[in-house]
Amino acid sequence: QVQLQESGPGLVKPSETLSLTCSVSGGSISGYFWSWIRQPPGKGLEWIGYIYYSGSTNYNPSLKSRVTISVDTSRNQVSLKVSSVTAADTAVYYCARDMVDCSGGRCSAYGMDVWGQGTTVTVSS
Amino acid sequence: DIVMTQSPDSLAVSLGERATINCKSSQSVLSSSNNKNYLTWYQQKPGQPPKLLIYWASTREFGVPDRFSGSGSGTDFTLTISSLQAEDVAVYYCQQYYSTPLTFGGGTKVEIK
Repeated sequence: QVQLQESGPGLVKPSETLSLTCSVSGGSISGYFWSWIRQPPGKGLEWIGYIYYSGSTNYNPSLKSRVTISVDTSRNQVSLKVSSVTAADTAVYYCARDMVDCSGGRCSAYGMDVWGQGTTVTVSS
Repeated sequence: DIVMTQSPDSLAVSLGERATINCKSSQSVLSSSNNKNYLTWYQQKPGQPPKLLIYWASTREFGVPDRFSGSGSGTDFTLTISSLQAEDVAVYYCQQYYSTPLTFGGGTKVEIK
């Protein structure tokens, strides 16, 4: 059974870079999209972006200039970096596996079937 | 961006009664290439990550009880819990996968009356 575990600093100073890692166990990174999603305290879900196992990425324009998602297939890990953070970046950060449908000659994601437990990141000096 | 609007924001239903949650997208999420609606439903309980319930608008994820069902097409969708159980107390989110950025509805909180 595939399990995801997010890790990284729980406290980041304003203007610094938030760095998180999602470790995948019990399965392979290959063949899937991998998303990062965040949830500010008491609020809803915001998709940050995803990466295909091959390395192609797609980011939310609301964060695009500050976000980098990468994959390390040898370590079965997906990473997230958000630069120039402010208090508005305080949230629970989740990684999730996106199911993929490759019928019709194009591969597209259609649902997040496995989620990590999430990690709380607070931006404060 | 496709805006997802859920209604109501919250609802209280008696045990064993039906709960209905609506989700409307600002544009169609029906793919003309495969005739599938790229609409997904999640359940989130306090302190837990979201859990996938329904994908392609009406396909139940493996292991999800059959009291959960999804319906709709194009821009209007519904999640129905046919007989509410105590363990169904949660916030429910719809999400579109038709185009990026992927977007979620604001959530509907379901409680016991």
